[in-house]
Amino acid sequence: GQSLEQPSEVTAVEGAIVQINCTYQTSGFYGLSWYQQHDGGAPTFLSYNALDGLEETGRFSSFLSRSDSYGYLLLQELQMKDSASYFCAVRDEQAGTALIFGKGTTLSVSS
Amino acid sequence: DAGITQSPRHKVTETGTPVTLRCHQTENHRYMYWYRQDPGHGLRLIHYSYGVKDTDKGEVSDGYSVSRSKTEDFLLTLESATSSQTSVYFCAISESVDTEAFFGQGTRLTVV
Repeated sequence: GQSLEQPSEVTAVEGAIVQINCTYQTSGFYGLSWYQQHDGGAPTFLSYNALDGLEETGRFSSFLSRSDSYGYLLLQELQMKDSASYFCAVRDEQAGTALIFGKGTTLSVSS
Repeated sequence: DAGITQSPRHKVTETGTPVTLRCHQTENHRYMYWYRQDPGHGLRLIHYSYGVKDTDKGEVSDGYSVSRSKTEDFLLTLESATSSQTSVYFCAISESVDTEAFFGQGTRLTVV
């Protein structure tokens, strides 16, 4: 089967840097994705890593190490609007083509 | 924004009644998914579809059925609703296995 582990909560202050880790276990690996969800809203796509290394998109970066079954989302120059839940997700052979999500990390940014 | 619409957005129903939720897309994406979201559990896959009439079960499929007779519509049916099915239901679509998924705005279902 598949499983993903990520911290349940993270707190930080505006302007800081935060790293949200994700470890996964799958029967076949097709890449690691990250999604953001604000309270009451729909999840929205942030990034996708199929190969090892760092992908940067503005203030957000995502890293993958396939040998360690590990990835992280790095958020820089935190803003209040970054307060949200962040989910890592993988596509797994046992789940066909569907995304399987971790339980999510709630990020609270304070001033 | 991706063209994906869920209906209804909110529903209250009684235990034992059938309920159908609809997901409609205008993107012509091949893959469609139904998830439920509950506090402490994240997003859990109920069923998914990889083409018209091609569907398969996810990790929490018991008590749910789906149908996809057209590319644009993916229906989720609770044959006999139970209180444990009170949840927020999200539909998602993706063009391929390597592309991002787009989510609908969700349906809040309450079973009393």
